[in-house]
Amino acid sequence: NAGVTQTPKFQVLKTGQSMTLQCAQDMNHEYMSWYRQDPGMGLRLIHYSVGAGITDQGEVPNGYNVSRSTTEDFPLRLLSAAPSQTSVYFCASSYGGQGARNSPLHFGNGTRLTVT
Amino acid sequence: RKEVEQDPGPFNVPEGATVAFNCTYSNSASQSFFWYRQDCRKEPKLLMSVYSSGNEDGRFTAQLNRASQYISLLIRDSKLSDSATYLCVVPTASKLTFGTGTRLQVTL
Repeated sequence: NAGVTQTPKFQVLKTGQSMTLQCAQDMNHEYMSWYRQDPGMGLRLIHYSVGAGITDQGEVPNGYNVSRSTTEDFPLRLLSAAPSQTSVYFCASSYGGQGARNSPLHFGNGTRLTVT
Repeated sequence: RKEVEQDPGPFNVPEGATVAFNCTYSNSASQSFFWYRQDCRKEPKLLMSVYSSGNEDGRFTAQLNRASQYISLLIRDSKLSDSATYLCVVPTASKLTFGTGTRLQVTL
């Protein structure tokens, strides 16, 4: 049982480049989300999804796009990378869609992104 | 008031000590709460869930005070391996909001 799988683990981008961070879960979780973690800021929600075909913005969505075409996958796209997007990104999922707020999150191992 | 607030610490305690962290929240409608543990450069992992007045798991006790809108985490008989950052998580609307975490360093 793989749980939540994130790829890549590390990435270096130049300003203006685009890329997609992959996230897949095999637990049949309805709820999936992306967080970024910066020193002193804690985990901040970027985008989330309560089920296939449904996405919504979190606290810091600018510069990022998501889609949820299947229950398993929730990729995060950086449209035009900026140094301010240097961060550690975590994908997380939980059981339950609208009821996700009452279910604990399962995290992937994280992606460390540096934008130069 | 922030949605979720934690004392960032660090809390430096000797092995065997008892230590407690508090977390305050602003949404009085929140029903369930979580404590996560995060080791340096690793993903957060669930430590405890709190659905009613409290929860106990071995050396760890989580308590909820709805009137004052805070949850606490008590660690008894601290071990070196307890050194980590402890994140308080509170549901708000349809998402989970994380506190910035409290860092604990247990020393010999």
